[in-house]
Amino acid sequence: AQKITQTQPGMFVQEKEAVTLDCTYDTSDQSYGLFWYKQPSSGEMIFLIYQGSYDEQNATEGRYSLNFQKARKSANLVISASQLGDSAMYFCAMRGVKSGGGADGLTFGKGTHLIIQP
Amino acid sequence: EAGVAQSPRYKIIEKRQSVAFWCNPISGHATLYWYQQILGQGPKLLIQFQNNGVVDDSQLPKDRFSAERLKGVDSTLKIQPAKLEDSAVYLCASSDRPFMAYEQYFGPGTRLTVT
Repeated sequence: AQKITQTQPGMFVQEKEAVTLDCTYDTSDQSYGLFWYKQPSSGEMIFLIYQGSYDEQNATEGRYSLNFQKARKSANLVISASQLGDSAMYFCAMRGVKSGGGADGLTFGKGTHLIIQP
Repeated sequence: EAGVAQSPRYKIIEKRQSVAFWCNPISGHATLYWYQQILGQGPKLLIQFQNNGVVDDSQLPKDRFSAERLKGVDSTLKIQPAKLEDSAVYLCASSDRPFMAYEQYFGPGTRLTVT
């Protein structure tokens, strides 16, 4: 079974500061993927970044980077130079590999509500 | 490219009534997922389709929930009879391939309120 833990229910950050959202995971799979999604108040889920368990380099996508520490089973999201539009719920998620091939659906954490203050 | 479409966007029903949700994935996407998101929680996978076959329905409450994906395109999720605890947003997502790195694209969701 897979489990995602996000220990920060809410965070307040000043605009233009960097912010780190914590995520730890638990799985017995050797091959897995880690994702971060953003969910604004409008409700849609927006994909931000992906990290494969065998990727040696941390993933980056624009202002988003994923701090992947495999031994510690953590996959923290770092947002550099935060903007007011970054205010939203952020979900960490993972998926494993099915025994017959292909990948599972996503297992999500409970999310972190990020509020960027001017 | 059109995104994942869902309807209705909102639905209010009384407990013990039936309800159905519809999802049309991105054109050409073979993999389709239904998630349930209860207020204050992350989405939970209910069922995963590959074309018109069920790949994973281990978390689907089969005594009241059913889903189908006829012809491997659009999908319907049904609840019969509904309970108060079914109040949630039901999200549909699709993916080009059912492999690890392939992004899942989410629809806007259907917000269900059971009274």
